[in-house]
Amino acid sequence: GIQVEQSPPDLILQEGANSTLRCNFSDSVNNLQWFHQNPWGQLINLFYIPSGTKQNGRLSATTVATERYSLLYISSSQTTDSGVYFCAVESRDKVIFGPGTSLSVIP
Amino acid sequence: ETGVTQTPRHLVMGMTNKKSLKCEQHLGHNAMYWYKQSAKKPLELMFVYNFKEQTENNSVPSRFSPECPNSSHLFLHLHTLQPEDSALYLCASSRPGVMHTEAFFGQGTRLTVV
Repeated sequence: GIQVEQSPPDLILQEGANSTLRCNFSDSVNNLQWFHQNPWGQLINLFYIPSGTKQNGRLSATTVATERYSLLYISSSQTTDSGVYFCAVESRDKVIFGPGTSLSVIP
Repeated sequence: ETGVTQTPRHLVMGMTNKKSLKCEQHLGHNAMYWYKQSAKKPLELMFVYNFKEQTENNSVPSRFSPECPNSSHLFLHLHTLQPEDSALYLCASSRPGVMHTEAFFGQGTRLTVV
């Protein structure tokens, strides 16, 4: 089945820094979403982005489906950005989540 | 607030207990899902309901029994669970369709089996 990898697995940032999170997948996908899981466990939908680029405030995402990767950009990071970031892909009627990137933003 | 509400937020139950998790969505979606998130494991899809019909069961043990009485409500009935079933259980909903579209998640129920 499809493999989903995320990098880096862990990331520590100083408040105000920028970062790029990556999601690689091993097969063609129909859909891709980025989620932020806050420290209380809730998954927040960030982007629904099977292809192209989207921006929402300090966050933006780009998916290049032909090259099988997606990037999540976080600019001017804040402590509230801390948590785990997951990408989830849908391929052949299956939804697979990546292992996540654990982000800690320190003041 | 995502429009998907799960109750309870936390649950501790013994292995002989019977309990139920509840999920409610007010987004007008017709597809609902249960996911399990265990420590240090990727999120696992357990069940999918489309228009109140179960369309996917990913080899989930029978001690987990889903119920979808209408498009807005989803339950997960639990009985004779094992300690390894302790996990965060997440409910999600999306627009109608056989395949997932943009999904919105509830806050989750953190379950501890003792």
